[in-house]
Amino acid sequence: QKEVEQNSGPLSVPEGAIASLNCTYSDRVSQSFFWYRQYSGKSPELIMSIYSNGDKEDGRFTAQLNKASQYVSLLIRDSQPSDSATYLCAVPRSGNTPLVFGKGTRLSVIA
Amino acid sequence: DTEVTQTPKHLVMGMTNKKSLKCEQHMGHRAMYWYKQKAKKPPELMFVYSYEKLSINESVPSRFSPECPNSSLLNLHLHALQPEDSALYLCASSHNTGGSIGDTQYFGPGTRLTVL
Repeated sequence: QKEVEQNSGPLSVPEGAIASLNCTYSDRVSQSFFWYRQYSGKSPELIMSIYSNGDKEDGRFTAQLNKASQYVSLLIRDSQPSDSATYLCAVPRSGNTPLVFGKGTRLSVIA
Repeated sequence: DTEVTQTPKHLVMGMTNKKSLKCEQHMGHRAMYWYKQKAKKPPELMFVYSYEKLSINESVPSRFSPECPNSSLLNLHLHALQPEDSALYLCASSHNTGGSIGDTQYFGPGTRLTVL
């Protein structure tokens, strides 16, 4: 079983709509979760992190975490063409080890 | 400031060349990472340094040789690379390797490597 799973997309949404990106993880002891945005040819940029069950909002972005279901999502409200990028979900492996990345979901916001 | 810098931005090298990639951070982070990323794939961990000591080597071929001269600098020495090693090489740093929110990894802009 893969450790972090994401739908690869592409996910296409019209400008102004809500984009919903999903991620599941296999390690039940994971405590913190990260969403990175990566534009083509650029490096990953952190946009959200979350460690408590529930929602965390930052501007147009909301991260949602459900540890019982091992599920973390990212909502982007009022999507803009500039949000078109690949979104990577990342989860630390158990113990004192670094991040495991999902394959990323490619988002395309259509003007 | 969450800046990680990497040089050079682009590098083209032959299979017999020796070159080095450099990474620097001044955030006081004690963990530094090298990742390799191929097109349309997620970053793939290569090495982790914790407190200037190599803590993880993900079975990377010996033609890649990491070095951490001090807590702010991380190098990746390249020798006898293959064309399939062409990729974006990313450096990242974090406060520690614990994986908590406080150990968020910040990435540098990367070095685009082409091996001819």
